[in-house]
Amino acid sequence: DVKVTQSSRYLVKRTGEKVFLECVQDMDHENMFWYRQDPGLGLRLIYFSYDVKMKEKGDIPEGYSVSREKKERFSLILESASTNQTSMYLCASRGSIADTGELFFGEGSRLTVL
Amino acid sequence: GQQVMQIPQYQHVQEGEDFTTYCNSSTTLSNIQWYKQRPGGHPVFLIQLVKSGEVKKQKRLTFQFGEAKKNSSLHITATQTTDVGTYFCAGRIRGADGLTFGKGTHLIIQP
Repeated sequence: DVKVTQSSRYLVKRTGEKVFLECVQDMDHENMFWYRQDPGLGLRLIYFSYDVKMKEKGDIPEGYSVSREKKERFSLILESASTNQTSMYLCASRGSIADTGELFFGEGSRLTVL
Repeated sequence: GQQVMQIPQYQHVQEGEDFTTYCNSSTTLSNIQWYKQRPGGHPVFLIQLVKSGEVKKQKRLTFQFGEAKKNSSLHITATQTTDVGTYFCAGRIRGADGLTFGKGTHLIIQP
């Protein structure tokens, strides 16, 4: 079974702090995604990556950056956390770019910014 | 921007009643996927529909993809308490990257 592991289930940070959210998948998937989930807003795509060192902006990239130095790892970075970034962050992976198949999600990282 | 709209936002049903959630896109979709998220859990893939007019069944769940590939529905027959959760549709818009998710329908079942 595919396993997508997010490093932290719960984080509490202060405004202005730099935050790293790590995601690792063990199925050699090419595509990886970061979504945030907020009540009433569903899942919104922040960034995605088709391959190592490649990244594409999603629908709400402002205030975020990403890093994909290795195929299995996709990191989401909040350079200066703000209270409106309090949310549940979900990482997902998928097979090749030609594969229109399912997304495999991690358990999520719930971030609170005070 | 391009959106995938999903209704209703909440649905309360008595156990044993049927349930339907609807998904509509402003643009043609390459395919549509459905996910279920249990309370406190993460979204889990249910199914993908690709062809115009496609209908797929999984036990009590029936999934449909519209002829114009702009809408889809998920119907659950005779709901059970294990069906509780949020159901999301997610569409791949032609020429676009990634999946666009609907806001989800929360299914609440009263015993």
